[in-house]
Amino acid sequence: QQQVKQSPQSLIVQKGGISIINCAYENTAFDYFPWYQQFPGKGPALLIAIRPDVSEKKEGRFTISFNKSAKQFSLHIMDSQPGDSATYFCAARKNSGYSTLTFGKGTMLLVSP
Amino acid sequence: DAGITQSPRYKITETGRQVTLMCHQTWSHSYMFWYRQDLGHGLRLIYYSAAADITDKGEVPDGYVVSRSKTENFPLTLESATRSQTSVYFCASSGGTSGRTDTQYFGPGTRLTVL
Repeated sequence: QQQVKQSPQSLIVQKGGISIINCAYENTAFDYFPWYQQFPGKGPALLIAIRPDVSEKKEGRFTISFNKSAKQFSLHIMDSQPGDSATYFCAARKNSGYSTLTFGKGTMLLVSP
Repeated sequence: DAGITQSPRYKITETGRQVTLMCHQTWSHSYMFWYRQDLGHGLRLIYYSAAADITDKGEVPDGYVVSRSKTENFPLTLESATRSQTSVYFCASSGGTSGRTDTQYFGPGTRLTVL
């Protein structure tokens, strides 16, 4: 059972455009939603994260939008740059004690010059 | 340099052989994790550890063994490698007493090929 569904699998955006990656979850016990960014040949690194008590979080050109009722959250990259080309993973963590992250399958983003 | 390191970075082995992947972190983080990354599957958790001598299974533990005798080290052993274990393996660590919202810091990965 895939607990965090991520789409699209791949995405091509022109430089300056908006990149949007969507994730949906089923388990209402999730209460922490990070996004990780991975460049080729590197390990993933935390990009931005949100808790469900807010509907949006912005850090520079990166914004997470969160819809608790729909159990969906998305990553928006404004003014996308070729340097943003990477694989992006959404993830979720339960609110009971310590628990592990459940990752989506990832989205490969290519920003064309 | 401080951080999280993995060795080897690349490994080719044969079916049936035992292979150990090493992970070392210098932050004294309590929690450590092993993931495998495969195209179409994303990151899947193999095992994790909350502290020295405390380990637990993740989503795909079969065929793998872990140990954690020291806080800074978390080796992953494939006791009898199979072709299906060809993958990129990532180690990660996170600090804090609760760990609930702590960032996971990933190592550079080990690319393992089983022939």
